[in-house]
Amino acid sequence: GQQLNQSPQSMFIQEGEDVSMNCTSSSIFNTWLWYKQDPGEGPVLLIALYKAGELTSNGRLTAQFGITRKDSFLNISASIPSDVGIYFCAGSSSNTGKLIFGQGTTLQVKP
Amino acid sequence: NAGVTQTPKFQVLKTGQSMTLQCAQDMNHEYMSWYRQDPGMGLRLIHYSVGAGITDQGEVPNGYNVSRSTTEDFPLRLLSAAPSQTSVYFCASSLLAGENTGELFFGEGSRLTVL
Repeated sequence: GQQLNQSPQSMFIQEGEDVSMNCTSSSIFNTWLWYKQDPGEGPVLLIALYKAGELTSNGRLTAQFGITRKDSFLNISASIPSDVGIYFCAGSSSNTGKLIFGQGTTLQVKP
Repeated sequence: NAGVTQTPKFQVLKTGQSMTLQCAQDMNHEYMSWYRQDPGMGLRLIHYSVGAGITDQGEVPNGYNVSRSTTEDFPLRLLSAAPSQTSVYFCASSLLAGENTGELFFGEGSRLTVL
């Protein structure tokens, strides 16, 4: 079945540093999305990407849909303590209705 | 709007017991789904529905049943609980099946422990 490999598994950074995480797939996706989960809550959508090569920003967050349709990355610039949480990539193939998630990247930010 | 509401938030079961996790959304979303979250494994899709009367299996459907009799509700049934079903369960919905399916709204989760 479809699988997403997300890396790194965890990150511990200093406040103000930039962060980069990525996701690769064994198959092609038509949609890539990035979610953030705060402790004790459900994931919340950060960025949605619908076209290969698309680069989209949301404040300090930037994400790209890889040209091969098999990968995506998320960058966070100038990290702050409230960026702490688990970040998930997710992909969807058209006409299936299924959204597959990566294993998550746990981000910790030291003030 | 309440968004996606899950009940109960916490539940402890004994092996072999059955129960239903409730999920309701008030956003008139066509697409609804159930995920389970386990440490180091991300979110895995259990079942999903693209509209009332239509359901389909996800990655890990065994041991779970669903139904979609109304647009608003999508209950998840555990037929005979096993310790391997100890997990946090999330219900999620989105406005349209197809292109925007991935823009999911999640509930707060239901934490299930099976002894």
